[in-house]
Amino acid sequence: GNSVTQMEGPVTLSEEAFLTINCTYTATGYPSLFWYVQYPGEGLQLLLKATKADDKGSNKGFEATYRKETTSFHLEKGSVQVSDSAVYFCALSTGSGNTGKLIFGQGTTLQVKP
Amino acid sequence: AAGVIQSPRHLIKEKRETATLKCYPIPRHDTVYWYQQGPGQDPQFLISFYEKMQSDKGSIPDRFSAQQFSDYHSELNMSSLELGDSALYFCASSFRKGGQIYEQYFGPGTRLTVT
Repeated sequence: GNSVTQMEGPVTLSEEAFLTINCTYTATGYPSLFWYVQYPGEGLQLLLKATKADDKGSNKGFEATYRKETTSFHLEKGSVQVSDSAVYFCALSTGSGNTGKLIFGQGTTLQVKP
Repeated sequence: AAGVIQSPRHLIKEKRETATLKCYPIPRHDTVYWYQQGPGQDPQFLISFYEKMQSDKGSIPDRFSAQQFSDYHSELNMSSLELGDSALYFCASSFRKGGQIYEQYFGPGTRLTVT
């Protein structure tokens, strides 16, 4: 079946460090891929997306590239800030017969220290 | 910009009681999704509606039911509540155009506590 696997957290970084959160997926067809961010006590916010192979999604300094050959969608940021501390979820929405439902990874907690 | 509205934001119920969660999608969005997020877990898809018809069903217990109304708002009805139903319940909305489904926007969630 369709699934998403993320690297386990928490990930603890110092401010201005480079961030990578790994995400791999298993899916039939051609899924769309997403990163959502959840700040403490809040709902899920769409961070970025990619809908086809080799697409790069980017937003607020975060980037992720849809790699079909490695079935990956790793999240990166060149210089993290304390305000980036949150839980990050990788998710997919399946292609053929798509009803739009999202399948999430288990989430990765990012803690950025000043 | 208008966002997805959920009410109530917090709800405390006792075992075996019923609860109704409401969701008001972004204006002109025609699709609503419900997700359940247990403590420290990822959101799990429950059910979705497109143009007031159920479009997909996930791991929703038989004790739960949902519908989408003519104004596109949706309600999730939960009966015979169990301790394990304590969770954050998210509603998300999106729209379709030309056969393509656009990204989902999430509400702030309803935190249900069953005692």
